[in-house]
Amino acid sequence: QSVLTQPPSASVTPGQRVTISCSGSSSNIGSNAVNWYQQLPGTAPKLLIYNNNQRPSGVPDRFSGSRSGTSASLAISGLQSDDEADYYCAAWDDSLNGVIFGGGTKLTVL
Amino acid sequence: EVQLVQSGAEVKKPGESLKISCTGSGYSFTSYWSGWVRQMPGKGLEWVGIVYPGDSSTRYSPSFEGQVTISADKSISTAYLQWSSLKASDTAMYYCARRGYHYDRTGYYYYFDYWGQGTLVTVSS
Repeated sequence: QSVLTQPPSASVTPGQRVTISCSGSSSNIGSNAVNWYQQLPGTAPKLLIYNNNQRPSGVPDRFSGSRSGTSASLAISGLQSDDEADYYCAAWDDSLNGVIFGGGTKLTVL
Repeated sequence: EVQLVQSGAEVKKPGESLKISCTGSGYSFTSYWSGWVRQMPGKGLEWVGIVYPGDSSTRYSPSFEGQVTISADKSISTAYLQWSSLKASDTAMYYCARRGYHYDRTGYYYYFDYWGQGTLVTVSS
């Protein structure tokens, strides 16, 4: 069981907006920045959001991140079929002294 | 262009040793930590550990400490993940990644910004 808790799945129709949650604790999200990764089927993960809400160059502004207290969320608007992927949150954990990942959320675009 | 190229898929028997590699290019390899992430079949991502090629410092996840060894050879811009005695439960895809960073007035922020293509390790008798 992951230290960061994400819903295992989400499904939305094209064009809609979805929010994926990531729940942690004071030793991880509560005191460290959250990063989000997108893993398309059969490929390596890709950095989507860093430092809670920053987008790397090339990531569309349809993707946004936020953090509040010990939780974080990833929002994707104007959903496209290409967005169908697994999404993972991650943060440094001060108690484990290492990076922890959420269990991942499988996003299906119907 | 930053690139991380990993060694090819491996099929091994339980008890055998293995060392897989990850070669970086397009950036100063010695200035960034290199990390390893495990993904077991059909499962999520797990942080294995990181190495700083500049001085070979390492950090391990408690779950992997003592089970694997992470190292780097800065002369050839390559990081390694090795096992001395493989188990069937080591069967997984292993990704290497560069630990990028951002600095502002509030401090340093770290993330894995570039990833290798993955090395599939299969351990079966």
